[in-house]
Amino acid sequence: NAGVTQTPKFQVLKTGQSMTLQCAQDMNHEYMSWYRQDPGMGLRLIHYSVGAGITDQGEVPNGYNVSRSTTEDFPLRLLSAAPSQTSVYFCASGRQGQIHEQYFGPGTRLTVT
Amino acid sequence: KNQVEQSPQSLIILEGKNCTLQCNYTVSPFSNLRWYKQDTGRGPVSLTIMTFSENTKSNGRYTATLDADTKQSSLHITASQLSDSASYICVVSRPVGSWGKLQFGAGTQVVVTP
Repeated sequence: NAGVTQTPKFQVLKTGQSMTLQCAQDMNHEYMSWYRQDPGMGLRLIHYSVGAGITDQGEVPNGYNVSRSTTEDFPLRLLSAAPSQTSVYFCASGRQGQIHEQYFGPGTRLTVT
Repeated sequence: KNQVEQSPQSLIILEGKNCTLQCNYTVSPFSNLRWYKQDTGRGPVSLTIMTFSENTKSNGRYTATLDADTKQSSLHITASQLSDSASYICVVSRPVGSWGKLQFGAGTQVVVTP
């Protein structure tokens, strides 16, 4: 199993540009989520999904869109990049259950100039 | 104010020594508390998960403790190795069914020196 994969690993955007961060998992997990990690702060939830066709907002959803057309994929779209979106983005997946363990991808480092 | 506070922010220890990291939380109610290890440039990896009824959980040289009454947890690293250099993140999970309701601490950066 590849686990959770993310592409690209690094990206530089200009303000106003749009792009999609890709996330895929091969563990047949129902739950997938996107976080951003900024220096000195804990990971913050952007959006999450509990199954194909079902998404919901997290703590910091503004400026981001998601969709979940398949169990495996959960792309994150930046509609119009802003310097405040410079961050490291992590995708995670997990299985429904008591503990709800989550498995994280390797991250995408995004810089918006 | 973050509902999960970790201390210290960073620490440097000599290889072979022990260290203890602290986590205080105000999340209530909660389902479980986790400790993750995050190597530089990588995603977090789970070390331990404890439900509110558990007091301690070990994973090799890592031992986590939980006091749900005082809302405190600690992670003890025994006989540290260079590979223990990483950020250690305390995460508190809200009750089952609260999908996506994880509260992350900012992490403690540990540097193990030879």
